[in-house]
Amino acid sequence: DQQVKQNSPSLSVQEGRISILNCDYTNSMFDYFLWYKKYPAEGPTFLISISSIKDKNEDGRFTVFLNKSAKHLSLHIVPSQPGDSAVYFCAASAGSSSGNTGKLIFGQGTTLQVKP
Amino acid sequence: GAGVSQSPSNKVTEKGKDVELRCDPISGHTALYWYRQRLGQGLEFLIYFQGNSAPDKSGLPSDRFSAERTGESVSTLTIQRTQQEDSAVYLCASSLLSLGVGTQYFGPGTRLLVL
Repeated sequence: DQQVKQNSPSLSVQEGRISILNCDYTNSMFDYFLWYKKYPAEGPTFLISISSIKDKNEDGRFTVFLNKSAKHLSLHIVPSQPGDSAVYFCAASAGSSSGNTGKLIFGQGTTLQVKP
Repeated sequence: GAGVSQSPSNKVTEKGKDVELRCDPISGHTALYWYRQRLGQGLEFLIYFQGNSAPDKSGLPSDRFSAERTGESVSTLTIQRTQQEDSAVYLCASSLLSLGVGTQYFGPGTRLLVL
């Protein structure tokens, strides 16, 4: 049972345009969401997060939107740059649940290619 | 400061052999996690350590997998009698907060190939 799903395995955008990466989840206990970026042969690096008490969090070119009723979150990158080309994973945690260890449940990843 | 380090970076072994993977977390981080990423898939939680508390082993796929952690430092993940389906990248992460919303910082991973 895939609790976190990224239905688009890949996305290609032109440099300077907006990249929108989507993620859906099924577990209503999730209350903290993160996006990680991963380059080949490296571990994932933290990008941005959002708590379920918010619907938007912005950090520079990166904005994460959370729609709890739809159990959907998205990552917007604008403007996209060639260096953003990587695999993007969304992850969720039932962070504040009693006894929860904070383990993350990851989606399958979306490979973003930003063309110059 | 130094990030999470893992060794070896690559490991090729024969089916049936035991392997041991090592993780050095960020100094001061109390929580340590192991994940596995199979080819083309997302990261899969394996095990979690926090101080002297009993580890959360709920993600370990079989009893061939075990892990230890010495205090709040080094951790080793051991896979006994390796199988070809164990081939994956094994990632370690550490976090300052044990419960709730601590951001996890990942090491570069150990790429395990079982022939």
